[in-house]
Amino acid sequence: AQKVTQAQTEISVVEKEDVTLDCVYETRDTTYYLFWYKQPPSGELVFLIRRNSFDEQNEISGRYSWNFQKSTSSFNFTITASQVVDSAVYFCALSELDSNYQLIWGAGTKLIIKP
Amino acid sequence: SAVISQKPSRDICQRGTSLTIQCQVDSQVTMMFWYRQQPGQSLTLIATANQGSEATYESGFVIDKFPISRPNLTFSTLTVSNMSPEDSSIYLCSGYQGADGTDTQYFGPGTRLTVL
Repeated sequence: AQKVTQAQTEISVVEKEDVTLDCVYETRDTTYYLFWYKQPPSGELVFLIRRNSFDEQNEISGRYSWNFQKSTSSFNFTITASQVVDSAVYFCALSELDSNYQLIWGAGTKLIIKP
Repeated sequence: SAVISQKPSRDICQRGTSLTIQCQVDSQVTMMFWYRQQPGQSLTLIATANQGSEATYESGFVIDKFPISRPNLTFSTLTVSNMSPEDSSIYLCSGYQGADGTDTQYFGPGTRLTVL
């Protein structure tokens, strides 16, 4: 059965530290998409990245980077030199090819960046 | 990417009343979805809003409680009927864009509902 696990409920770091948010997924499909979304305290969900199952290249966008490893079914998210504005809940999600575009959500990781 | 707006952004309602939430997308999207997010929780899919036909509800959600309309490809409404304090949540709509290759759900800002 499909599932997304974000084992870290809450992470607290001091500003400028690097932090990695873990995401482990389960699926029987060979074609699927993985996503990360950010939900700041204001509540809106902000799309960060989509990765398809055939593209294992790591991605870097500014201070954000993503490590996709099919061998371990993981799609981890690293923030380098964290800032207070990075404080939010981060969700990892999975979409399978035949799922009518529905997303399977992880429980979310609350990230607190202390000044 | 699609830009999605929701109205109202928040509301405080009395038990037993109903509230209709509107969701407007700035471009045509293939699918629209409605979610509920209870405090401190992840997102739970309520239903898929189908254009011109009845919505497809997930287990645990029924049309009488959460009637949904989608009269065209850019607009949908969700009504929370006969509300109780347990309905206090954030309600989010999303639009899925696939035709442009993004294959991504974009979300509205959410509606924070408090039921007294």
